Amino acid sequence: DAGVIQSPRHEVTEMGQEVTLRCKPISGHDYLFWYRQTMMRGLELLIYFNNNVPIDDSGMPEDRFSAKMPNASFSTLKIQPSEPRDSAVYFCASSLGGGERGYTFGSGTRLTVV
Amino acid sequence: AQSVTQPDIHITVSEGASLELRCNYSYGATPYLFWYVQSPGQGLQLLLKYFSGDTLVQGIKGFEAEFKRSQSSFNLRKPSVHWSDAAEYFCAVASGTYKYIFGTGTRLKVLA
Repeated sequence: DAGVIQSPRHEVTEMGQEVTLRCKPISGHDYLFWYRQTMMRGLELLIYFNNNVPIDDSGMPEDRFSAKMPNASFSTLKIQPSEPRDSAVYFCASSLGGGERGYTFGSGTRLTVV
Repeated sequence: AQSVTQPDIHITVSEGASLELRCNYSYGATPYLFWYVQSPGQGLQLLLKYFSGDTLVQGIKGFEAEFKRSQSSFNLRKPSVHWSDAAEYFCAVASGTYKYIFGTGTRLKVLA
């Protein structure tokens, strides 16, 4: 298996623009998680899905953030409009059966908003 | 509230020396505990996990961790560090809702 695949690896955008981050989980995994990593706040869970259904989005910072999982093999995290404080590394992770089995993380998308 | 504390932000050891990274947690029930490693520019990789049973768990890359309920600790150890172990290490606890709480990480530097 190729693991969790995220794209793009790097994204530089101007403030106010829409940004879409993409994730392909491991085939057969039924949980998908979006995390944000910054120096100041560490790793923060933004949202997670179970069988393509959003379960907990309490970590999504603002209405500017939205996430979808239209099918078992694809998820997106969208920021509209983007702001400089959104600059971070965004990770997608997937697992089989939930967090107690451990996650498989993607390599992340480094987002820079200028 | 659940929390995870990694008291050491940076640790430097010489290659071949032993290593212990500290992790303390606060959780009401028996937790699921994990250690992950993150190399520069990469995602997190699972080293080992503890659910129940034997309190000494073995992981990949020669790492082990010991769960001590009385001390609320889950320290990571390796008897002999290799230069390739230089990375950032994260301890995490999973709550019943499958949400991880990560520690702030310990950055390991290995001297040749």
